[in-house]
Amino acid sequence: DVKVTQSSRYLVKRTGEKVFLECVQDMDHENMFWYRQDPGLGLRLIYFSYDVKMKEKGDIPEGYSVSREKKERFSLILESASTNQTSMYLCASSLKTFKKLNTEAFFGQGTRLTVV
Amino acid sequence: SQQGEEDPQALSIQEGENATMNCSYKTSINNLQWYRQNSGRGLVHLILIRSNEREKHSGRLRVTLDTSKKSSSLLITASRAADTASYFCVEPRGAQKLVFGQGTRLTINP
Repeated sequence: DVKVTQSSRYLVKRTGEKVFLECVQDMDHENMFWYRQDPGLGLRLIYFSYDVKMKEKGDIPEGYSVSREKKERFSLILESASTNQTSMYLCASSLKTFKKLNTEAFFGQGTRLTVV
Repeated sequence: SQQGEEDPQALSIQEGENATMNCSYKTSINNLQWYRQNSGRGLVHLILIRSNEREKHSGRLRVTLDTSKKSSSLLITASRAADTASYFCVEPRGAQKLVFGQGTRLTINP
């Protein structure tokens, strides 16, 4: 069974802390994504990576960075957590697209982060 | 950036009825995808329809696509309590990105 695993289901962090959210996939996918999901705003793309050490900004990258040192692992980093980063964070992976034929994305169960 | 929009935002029907959700998107697409999110299984892919297809079926799901109107619809027939979830249409942007709408919250009442 294919799997995207996020390291934590729930996290509580203090304002100003550096926070690491980890995601691992076992499908040998090239693409990996980080989204945040907020009521009324849907899913918004923070960053994505299409290869090891490659990354691109999504729609809301401010306050975040990412790391992809190995193909199977994609980390989201909150450099200095703030209360407005309290959210549900979802990681996803997909095969690289060829000839503009996008493939389905597989999602992790999500990490609910609360910044106090 | 802008993203597709689902309509209605919320839908409540009786078990056994059909549910129809609509989606409008912004760009010229090669395909459109629909996903479902519930508390039990998280966010999962339901169906992908390519731009040269007008209709696609998967079990009780039927998806239509009208590229001239930049719209799609998802029909769930003979709804069940387990269909209670949020449904998202997903518009590819560029080669690799997937952009989600805000979703339709579907509630199936017993």
